[in-house]
Amino acid sequence: KAGVTQTPRYLIKTRGQQVTLSCSPISGHRSVSWYQQTPGQGLQFLFEYFSETQRNKGNFPGRFSGRQFSNSRSEMNVSTLELGDSALYLCASSLAQGAGTDTQYFGPGTRLTVL
Amino acid sequence: DAKTTQPTSMDCAEGRAANLPCNHSTISGNEYVYWYRQIHSQGPQYIIHGLKNNETNEMASLIITEDRKSSTLILPHATLRDTAVYYCIVRTSGNTPLVFGKGTRLSVIA
Repeated sequence: KAGVTQTPRYLIKTRGQQVTLSCSPISGHRSVSWYQQTPGQGLQFLFEYFSETQRNKGNFPGRFSGRQFSNSRSEMNVSTLELGDSALYLCASSLAQGAGTDTQYFGPGTRLTVL
Repeated sequence: DAKTTQPTSMDCAEGRAANLPCNHSTISGNEYVYWYRQIHSQGPQYIIHGLKNNETNEMASLIITEDRKSSTLILPHATLRDTAVYYCIVRTSGNTPLVFGKGTRLSVIA
């Protein structure tokens, strides 16, 4: 079974621009979560989508948004980019069957550099 | 904030068992212990998780103390490819977000 895929893998943008990152979950997985990793703050949770609805949200400004499509694929968008948005953006998918615990599996990430 | 405490770094000789400790003294009855690792700049890789009992899979073993206040991840025969940052995470059931701490940087030495 193919793993989580993220596109693009690398991206360079300038301040003030916006960016859209894409995530395709493992086949059959219905939940997609996004995380940001920076050297200073480590790995931090952005948001989670299930059945096209945002179910959980981390402590990030409104410039960070996302959505999920009916096939469970997800996109996240960052508007008005700042230098501090330079990071590795990670997507994780899980089955979300509702019972017990639900293991998240990560993609390779998208490395965003803001100049 | 992360609910776990891990050593900042550890070394292990290649071929030997790597034992990575994790303290989670405030763990609740419905919280699981998860382990992930991250090899330089790649996405975190799921290793194993457990609730009360010890667990083993093809990658590692997880030993949880009887009072559940600490656990140990065991890589039975460490190789150079096991060099990574290992994260111990306490998480409730369902699909709650993963809260990552700083983890343990394991260096496997030839």
